[in-house]
Amino acid sequence: DAGVIQSPRHEVTEMGQEVTLRCKPISGHNSLFWYRQTMMRGLELLIYFNNNVPIDDSGMPEDRFSAKMPNASFSTLKIQPSEPRDSAVYFCASSLEAGVGGELFFGEGSRLTVL
Amino acid sequence: AQKVTQAQTEISVVEKEDVTLDCVYETRDTTYYLFWYKQPPSGELVFLIRRNSFDEQNEISGRYSWNFQKSTSSFNFTITASQVVDSAVYFCALLGGYGGATNKLIFGTGTLLAVQP
Repeated sequence: DAGVIQSPRHEVTEMGQEVTLRCKPISGHNSLFWYRQTMMRGLELLIYFNNNVPIDDSGMPEDRFSAKMPNASFSTLKIQPSEPRDSAVYFCASSLEAGVGGELFFGEGSRLTVL
Repeated sequence: AQKVTQAQTEISVVEKEDVTLDCVYETRDTTYYLFWYKQPPSGELVFLIRRNSFDEQNEISGRYSWNFQKSTSSFNFTITASQVVDSAVYFCALLGGYGGATNKLIFGTGTLLAVQP
């Protein structure tokens, strides 16, 4: 059974460019999470969705970040315009019944470098 | 506010030693869940265990064991007879807001475990 699939695995871009990260959750999971991992701040929750609806985006750093989940099998995290401080590993995770303690299954991450 | 503290930033042991990773949490929720995840050098996050706040029974899985104590708000993780393959960053995490729309899995800062041969 396929796990959470993220693309691209690595992205190098220049400051000011638009970046789109993609995630395909595990089929049947109803919650999807975007996390960012940096050395300075550790693992931060950016946003999460329940049944394709954004529930809490309080972790999104600023208006340059946006996330969508147009259907149950796909989500995007977009940064426009990107800045060097956005360099990080971005993880997508999905869960079945996260509200009752279901574990999160993580993708392999997308490593973003903004020059 | 919810918070997870992993005071040990880095631990180095020699193979076959036992090692305990500490985790202290803060929450006002009466129902919550605690997790441990492992992040090996390859970078993926691997789920190890989940505990709910009503189950304080310790758990053992092979060389891994977990000690959950609500009285001290701790959920410690012990690896017995450590092996080089155990080298990784280990994260403790807390999920609160049971049943509501504000569920968040909050991670600690992680403990880097280095097992030397």
